[in-house]
Amino acid sequence: RKEVEQDPGPFNVPEGATVAFNCTYSNSASQSFFWYRQDCRKEPKLLMSVYSSGNEDGRFTAQLNRASQYISLLIRDSKLSDSATYLCVVNRGDDMRFGAGTRLTVKP
Amino acid sequence: DTAVSQTPKYLVTQMGNDKSIKCEQNLGHDTMYWYKQDSKKFLKIMFSYNNKELIINETVPNRFSPKSPDKAHLNLHINSLELGDSAVYFCASRRAGTEAFFGQGTRLTVV
Repeated sequence: RKEVEQDPGPFNVPEGATVAFNCTYSNSASQSFFWYRQDCRKEPKLLMSVYSSGNEDGRFTAQLNRASQYISLLIRDSKLSDSATYLCVVNRGDDMRFGAGTRLTVKP
Repeated sequence: DTAVSQTPKYLVTQMGNDKSIKCEQNLGHDTMYWYKQDSKKFLKIMFSYNNKELIINETVPNRFSPKSPDKAHLNLHINSLELGDSAVYFCASRRAGTEAFFGQGTRLTVV
């Protein structure tokens, strides 16, 4: 079993749609959690950190459920520019593990 | 100023050759990484160094040898390159408990 599992996607949604990505992790000792975004042929970049209390950044909301070892990302009012691969990241000490990523395409 | 820089950006080489990829970070981070992203786009950790000390060696063939001369640099040397080594290699760095910053990647093609 992979340490970090994500919805495989791809997700194809119209502009304005709300889309949710899910991620589970296997190691209960994991300490910090992130969502990254990777555009085609580019490096991954931080989208947002994920906190137990949940956090929001504009149209993006991240949730963490430590008991279920589950992380989510909600994107509201999707824009064409949101098209990318979204990577769930789980950290324990110096060990940072990435999920396989979920590809999102937002269409006009 | 580029925070994490790696060179070269592209590398095309023949099977059996030896090549190196260099990485430097100017963020003052203690931890640096090498990740491999294959054709299926999965980003797999290869090595992690903390303050020049090897922390993670993730079942990588011993043809891959990382070297950290100081905590701002983590280079990757690959011996006897194979077709299956073709991938994008990303260097990253971070401070404990915070997010990682990535270099632009080195696209390695072995022919």
